[in-house]
Amino acid sequence: DVKVTQSSRYLVKRTGEKVFLECVQDMDHENMFWYRQDPGLGLRLIYFSYDVKMKEKGDIPEGYSVSREKKERFSLILESASTNQTSMYLCASSLGSPENYGYTFGSGTRLTVV
Amino acid sequence: AQRVTQPEKLLSVFKGAPVELKCNYSYSGSPELFWYVQYSRQRLQLLLRHISRESIKGFTADLNKGETSFHLKKPFAQEEDSAMYYCAPPGRSARQLTFGSGTQLTVLP
Repeated sequence: DVKVTQSSRYLVKRTGEKVFLECVQDMDHENMFWYRQDPGLGLRLIYFSYDVKMKEKGDIPEGYSVSREKKERFSLILESASTNQTSMYLCASSLGSPENYGYTFGSGTRLTVV
Repeated sequence: AQRVTQPEKLLSVFKGAPVELKCNYSYSGSPELFWYVQYSRQRLQLLLRHISRESIKGFTADLNKGETSFHLKKPFAQEEDSAMYYCAPPGRSARQLTFGSGTQLTVLP
């Protein structure tokens, strides 16, 4: 019944490494999102995509980039990982406007940068 | 910028007691608001949305446009309601949602 899959549940990376977080959805959703979840800060939007090869910056895009080459896959890239990027990363998708349809979330990837 | 405030980071109530989780938002226009819940070791999931006016797991939420609030309520809390709750109005555009900082609800036996 899993519909939004994040490839890794836990990741440990070294400072300066390039990190790829992968997300795949099987619901043919148009919109996909990357959030980070931190205690006391809630969820903050990093990037989102409303179509293949389209992307828009969220509230905290610095230090991140994304790739959406296929409709079902949305990748988050940390170009040079830093310790302040240690966090839980959540991928979500939405059939249409989230205002109307809400999100379906993945189970998250807990990234630790050492 | 759109803002959403959940003033309580932690909330504890006893089983059977009423519970209210507060959410205040700033938004121009008529917002569609959501409450999401994350139970321990589970993924974040939709609890309810304003437009459907459903009652899910005994929870309801009323949109008060005058006070710009969307508080989540349940008359009799259960231990299985212990979870993290997030209020989510639209973000800078209808293409995204903005999440509050969350309220960790603990229902004590």
